[in-house]
Amino acid sequence: DGGITQSPKYLFRKEGQNVTLSCEQNLNHDAMYWYRQDPGQGLRLIYYSQIVNDFQKGDIAEGYSVSREKKESFPLTVTSAQKNPTAFYLCASSIAGGLTYEQYFGPGTRLTVT
Amino acid sequence: DQQVKQNSPSLSVQEGRISILNCDYTNSMFDYFLWYKKYPAEGPTFLISISSIKDKNEDGRFTVFLNKSAKHLSLHIVPSQPGDSAVYFCAASVSDDYKLSFGAGTTVTVRA
Repeated sequence: DGGITQSPKYLFRKEGQNVTLSCEQNLNHDAMYWYRQDPGQGLRLIYYSQIVNDFQKGDIAEGYSVSREKKESFPLTVTSAQKNPTAFYLCASSIAGGLTYEQYFGPGTRLTVT
Repeated sequence: DQQVKQNSPSLSVQEGRISILNCDYTNSMFDYFLWYKKYPAEGPTFLISISSIKDKNEDGRFTVFLNKSAKHLSLHIVPSQPGDSAVYFCAASVSDDYKLSFGAGTTVTVRA
């Protein structure tokens, strides 16, 4: 059963701590993405990766870091430098180089930092 | 600068009637458009898409219309059902660019 897994669903951290959000996919997709959703706003792109060992900054990359050591995995670290880390984080993947650009999303992780 | 705009944050419609969701974009390079549906605390799911070479695409109860000259697209849901109550996001992309630009979403409530 192919899909995208994000864990955990809810995450709580103290201010000043780094936290890593997990994203795994078994769809054999080359491209993976991280978005952030805040109330009343659309999805904003944090980082994306088109291929293993390569990734690019999205629109709001400051305070975040990623790695892409395996095709299936694209973890996101929210660092203490991120000023407003509390948000709903979504991971997505897509076929790279296809004619369409449908992205498939995971269930999301809600991060609360206090 | 938001390149994809959904100016109606919410829409309430009676069950069985038509829901019309609107989306405007500013980047004339966009040539592929998608609609996603999202339930609370879940990830968005792909609903329907349209290429800029078409002006209409239909899939069951869902139809998307594209007006390139007006940089406007709309999603029609006919007939609306209670399970359609969700947030709908419009998204757009440029060929050979994997990134999607999303609108802020429209919350649809279907009343019984």
